[in-house]
Parts: sequence; structure tokens; C-alpha cells
Amino acid sequence: EVHLVESGGGLVPPGGSLRLSCAASGFTFSSFAMTWVRQSPGKGLEWVSTITSSGGLTYYADSVKGRFTISRDNPKTTLYLQMNSLRAEDTALYYCAKATLVGARVRFDTWGQGTLVTVSS
Amino acid sequence: DIQMTQSPSTLSAFVGDRVTITCRASQTISTWLAWYQQKPGKAPKLLLYKASTLESGVPSRFSGSGSGTEFTLTISSLQPDDFATYYCQQYNSDGGTFGQGTKVEIK
Repeated sequence: EVHLVESGGGLVPPGGSLRLSCAASGFTFSSFAMTWVRQSPGKGLEWVSTITSSGGLTYYADSVKGRFTISRDNPKTTLYLQMNSLRAEDTALYYCAKATLVGARVRFDTWGQGTLVTVSS
Repeated sequence: DIQMTQSPSTLSAFVGDRVTITCRASQTISTWLAWYQQKPGKAPKLLLYKASTLESGVPSRFSGSGSGTEFTLTISSLQPDDFATYYCQQYNSDGGTFGQGTKVEIK
């Protein structure tokens, strides 16, 4: 059974940084693209970033490009999201998801339970 | 960016009812559409992809149709476990964008 557990969320002031982690198990991690999706009351569900199975390609939403970095450690079966220059509008529940990539098209097969990021002074 | 619009926003129905949710894309997305179910306090769960392909393990009372810009999710006979919020997602471009959700409530 696929199991994804996010961690690293918390309260951070505007301009601060945070690194999220997602520990994966139950599937061959190195064979699948992975993604981060966030959910906030005001903006609903929003795709944030995707990384290919090897880590060779990464994709970002315009709203986070240049501030967030997605990465993965395949031997450790862990996905990361480094978030810098955080803004109030980044406040959300952040989910990691196992993804299926068809060319540049990505759908989200299985989701973790999420980790809450709150950006506030 | 492709905008996704779902209707209705809220739907009240009885157990056993046939329920249909509509999702419209602001531009054509072929059949690059997925549907997710989310229950309170839980993560979304993939129900269908490629507009009409049922994800493994999802009950056959769920079905999807459509192509281009208009899509539907149908629940043939609503069960108690189906009361939840449903989201469509286009994954034709831009990483994918979601609809605003349709909450299915007990009548």
C-alpha cells in the first residue's frame, strides 16, 4: 500500500524559509514522478511543483517559481520542498502526491495527509 | 492559464439518487481531466482520469464523460460513503488546475 507522510510544516514569519519532507513507502519511489499540491481556504487546490522520477526535470507554478525548490533522494525514498521568501499567501496545507507523468501532463494518484504551513508575523 | 468551473457548488441528494456534476474548461483540454473526492480532514482521492478511466479500486457507480471543454462526473446510485466534496482537475497544461469543488450533501 502506498504511504506518504509529510513533515516540516509550521509557523514562519514573512520572508522566512521552511523545508518540507515527504517520506514515501509501499511503491518503487524511484520509478515515479512526485509532486506538491497545496490547499488553502481562499485559493482551493493549487499545484505547486513536480519532479520527474530521476530528479532530472522539475516544474513549478508561476506563483512559487524562483522561491521554492523541489528535490528528491531516491535511496532515502524522500521528497523535499525548500520554500524561501515565504509570503502570507503561501499559507496552506501542503500535500505530497505520487504522480503519473504523461509527457508534461501530470495527474496525482495518491496523496499524503498534508503538513500545514502558516506564514504570519 | 486554463480555468476550471464546476457546477453546482453544492448539491443535496438522497441515498440512492443519481447525481451529476459538471466541469467546464476555459479552453480545450481533450480528455486530460481527472476527478477527485475529498472528505473532511482527509486528502483528496483520485477517482477517474483521462476523463472516463476509473482508478483501480474505485466503485463502478462512479463514471465520467466528456471531451474538449465540457465534462461530467456521475454517481449512479449515491451511497452514504459518497457524501464529500468533488474536484475536477485539468492536466493538459500548466501543471494542472482544479475546479472550485462541488459539495455533495445529504438531503
